[in-house]
Amino acid sequence: NAGVTQTPKFRVLKTGQSMTLLCAQDMNHEYMYWYRQDPGMGLRLIHYSVGEGTTAKGEVPDGYNVSRLKKQNFLLGLESAAPSQTSVYFCASSYIGVNQETQYFGPGTRLLVL
Amino acid sequence: AQKITQTQPGMFVQEKEAVTLDCTYDTSDPSYGLFWYKQPSSGEMIFLIYQGSYDQQNATEGRYSLNFQKARKSANLVISASQLGDSAMYFCAMREGGKKLVFGTGTRLLVSP
Repeated sequence: NAGVTQTPKFRVLKTGQSMTLLCAQDMNHEYMYWYRQDPGMGLRLIHYSVGEGTTAKGEVPDGYNVSRLKKQNFLLGLESAAPSQTSVYFCASSYIGVNQETQYFGPGTRLLVL
Repeated sequence: AQKITQTQPGMFVQEKEAVTLDCTYDTSDPSYGLFWYKQPSSGEMIFLIYQGSYDQQNATEGRYSLNFQKARKSANLVISASQLGDSAMYFCAMREGGKKLVFGTGTRLLVSP
């Protein structure tokens, strides 16, 4: 049981390049999320998904796209990277039960856009 | 408007003492959930504790307890018997209505010997 994994762990991009971050979870969770973390700003939600084939915008969706073709995977795409997208990206999945909810986070991806 | 407010950018505590990290929230939704996460210097986010808005009792998980005061909209984290390994950033978060989770800006806790 690997929990939530993220690929890659670290990446350097030039302005205008594109890339896809992969998140995978093996806990059969319905809900998955992408966050970015910047110094002094906590975590901000980019996009999320409440099930296979569905996605929704979070607080800061501009410049990102997502897809949830399979229940266990949630992809985050940057079509044309900008220096403002330099950040640490976290993926999470969650189980929501009766009177209980837990979010499990991946280890994070450090992205540097030059 | 800020949904989650953590007013303490940094806190110091001596080993073996208890410490309270403050968190206030703002929502008009009757159904919501409150979370605390720990982020050590290694960067991973570690789930600590969860409190549902309808829960009558304060949540507890080992040395962690959540002091839930619904009328005051506060959800403070209490760490009892602090350990050196508790030194980290602590984030309060809230899920309301739908499935979004909103985080506070965090409190850095430093535990001294």
